[in-house]
Amino acid sequence: DQQVKQNSPSLSVQEGRISILNCDYTNSMFDYFLWYKKYPAEGPTFLISISSIKDKNEDGRFTVFLNKSAKHLSLHIVPSQPGDSAVYFCAASETGNTPLVFGKGTRLSVIA
Amino acid sequence: KAGVTQTPRYLIKTRGQQVTLSCSPISGHRSVSWYQQTPGQGLQFLFEYFSETQRNKGNFPGRFSGRQFSNSRSEMNVSTLELGDSALYLCASSYSGRNTEAFFGQGTRLTVV
Repeated sequence: DQQVKQNSPSLSVQEGRISILNCDYTNSMFDYFLWYKKYPAEGPTFLISISSIKDKNEDGRFTVFLNKSAKHLSLHIVPSQPGDSAVYFCAASETGNTPLVFGKGTRLSVIA
Repeated sequence: KAGVTQTPRYLIKTRGQQVTLSCSPISGHRSVSWYQQTPGQGLQFLFEYFSETQRNKGNFPGRFSGRQFSNSRSEMNVSTLELGDSALYLCASSYSGRNTEAFFGQGTRLTVV
């Protein structure tokens, strides 16, 4: 049973607009959530994270929102740029030391 | 500072053969984790080593095994290869063992024919 779900396999957004990527989880023990960006033939690159004691974390153009009651998090990218086109993975961990559990990814295409 | 290095980058093997993949972590990092990425399943955790001891293991058959050496380099081995083992195998390292602070290598693309 998948504990981390990214229900949108792909998303297309125009350059300059907002990209919103969503992630749902089922394990209430998850305390740490991360977003990774991945280009083809490369390893995932860490983007931004949030712990369960917060509901929002910002880093430049990237903001992650966490809704614990809904077991839902989202990544907002504003403004979207063509270089943001990649596959984005949501991941979660129970304690930070436990293995990361990944979603299947969402392919973001930013159109110029 | 060099990143996580995985060798080889690409590999083609025949069904029934075995394969060994290598991962050199960032200098000073003591934890190495392995993940399998397939189109249908996303990234799935294989196992984690910390200071030469297996600390966690994912839900994979016994054909998948690994080890870590005293210099923190790690290898994973897959025996009796099946077509379904074709995947990108990713290694991640961290200093403290906190997986939320891990850095990933570029991966080894294994194709089983």
